[in-house]
Amino acid sequence: QKEVEQNSGPLSVPEGAIASLNCTYSDRGSQSFFWYRQYSGKSPELIMSIYSNGDKEDGRFTAQLNKASQYVSLLIRDSQPSDSATYLCAVDEGRRALTFGSGTRLQVQP
Amino acid sequence: KAGVTQTPRYLIKTRGQQVTLSCSPISGHRSVSWYQQTPGQGLQFLFEYFSETQRNKGNFPGRFSGRQFSNSRSEMNVSTLELGDSALYLCASSLGEEQPQHFGDGTRLSIL
Repeated sequence: QKEVEQNSGPLSVPEGAIASLNCTYSDRGSQSFFWYRQYSGKSPELIMSIYSNGDKEDGRFTAQLNKASQYVSLLIRDSQPSDSATYLCAVDEGRRALTFGSGTRLQVQP
Repeated sequence: KAGVTQTPRYLIKTRGQQVTLSCSPISGHRSVSWYQQTPGQGLQFLFEYFSETQRNKGNFPGRFSGRQFSNSRSEMNVSTLELGDSALYLCASSLGEEQPQHFGDGTRLSIL
C-alpha cells in the first residue's frame, strides 16, 4: 500500500511569516511530486510540481524534494490570510495515478 | 484557455439508481483521470484514460466504470448506487506522463 503522510494540522502562522508544510511518501520509485491547494468547498488547485532533488521556487512558494529521505516540503513566504486553505501533497505512482496525503490545514492569522 | 469542465455540478440520487458524470478536459490534454473525495477517505484515484483506453484503475468495485471518447471527453458511470458513494467526484486532465494534473470543479453526488 503506497502511502503519503501529512500532518493534518491546523498549522497556524501569523500574517507575514513563513509557513512550512511537510510530506513523506513510501514508494521509493516515485518520480513526480505535486502540491495542491484546496479551499473549503472547492476543487484542488495546482501550486507546484517538482521532479528533481533540491529546491524549486515560484513566487512566494518553494518546493523542496529529498528522494533519499522520501520527503517533500512546501514553504510559503510572507503568508497571507488568503493562503488559509488545506494543502495536499500528491505523488505520482506512475500511469497517471496520484496518491494524495490527507492534507494539512493552514490558518494564517491577520 | 478553458479549464476542465465537469457536469453536472450537483446531483441527488437514491440508492440503487445509476449515474453518469461528464468531464471535458483542457484543450490538447489527452489524459483524463477520475478521483473520489470523501471526508473519511480523502482523495482516491478511480481510473485514468488516454486515447480512449483505460490505462490504470484504482481499488474500487466494478460498479464504477468510465470511458473516453475520441475528442478526449470522458464519462464516469456508477451503477447500483450506495449511500457510501456520496462524495465529490473530481476529474483531472494532463498532457501526459508525469505532467501535472489539473482538476475541474467536481460533481457533488448525494445519495439518499
